[in-house]
Amino acid sequence: AQSVTQLDSHVSVSEGTPVLLRCNYSSSYSPSLFWYVQHPNKGLQLLLKYTSAATLVKGINGFEAEFKKSETSFHLTKPSAHMSDAAEYFCVVGMGGNTGKLIFGQGTTLQVKP
Amino acid sequence: NAGVTQTPKFQVLKTGQSMTLQCAQDMNHEYMSWYRQDPGMGLRLIHYSVGAGITDQGEVPNGYNVSRSTTEDFPLRLLSAAPSQTSVYFCASSRDSFYGYTFGSGTRLTVV
Repeated sequence: AQSVTQLDSHVSVSEGTPVLLRCNYSSSYSPSLFWYVQHPNKGLQLLLKYTSAATLVKGINGFEAEFKKSETSFHLTKPSAHMSDAAEYFCVVGMGGNTGKLIFGQGTTLQVKP
Repeated sequence: NAGVTQTPKFQVLKTGQSMTLQCAQDMNHEYMSWYRQDPGMGLRLIHYSVGAGITDQGEVPNGYNVSRSTTEDFPLRLLSAAPSQTSVYFCASSRDSFYGYTFGSGTRLTVV
């Protein structure tokens, strides 16, 4: 069965410093993995996705994530945080097949300090 | 290009009332889903559809009904509202299992 664990519920960084949001997954087959961002009182926006092509995935707004099968991880990174990056981030695994069902992690709140 | 449109944005219901949350997409996506978001619990799947006339239950389907008579619309019906259904509801659509979903802006529902 598929599952996803976000290792930090809250991450705080200073503006201009690197961002690392950690995600581990469990899947019985090669998964589809996604990162979504949710700004306060907004809907969810797709940041990036992994679907068995390149293991290093580049997304919008300078974010990227690396799929590491040996570690069952899909951590999200950004070299330099911006104030506008403050939001809730969700790591998501697709259940595969033709269902289109997604399993969401609990979310990580990113705080960016000036 | 509207994407995924949810109505209403806010709703207050009394316990026992019924209502329908509307969801429409204009991207000709086959896959559509309803999620609820509660603090500290991420998003949980209520019902989903892989095409017109095809629906199935997700993780938390009790108290909710759906139908998919057209590709564009995927309404969520609350049969008899309960305070436990107080939540933010999101509708999403995608062209396939791997593409990634487009989410609506959500409906904030309070049941008193």
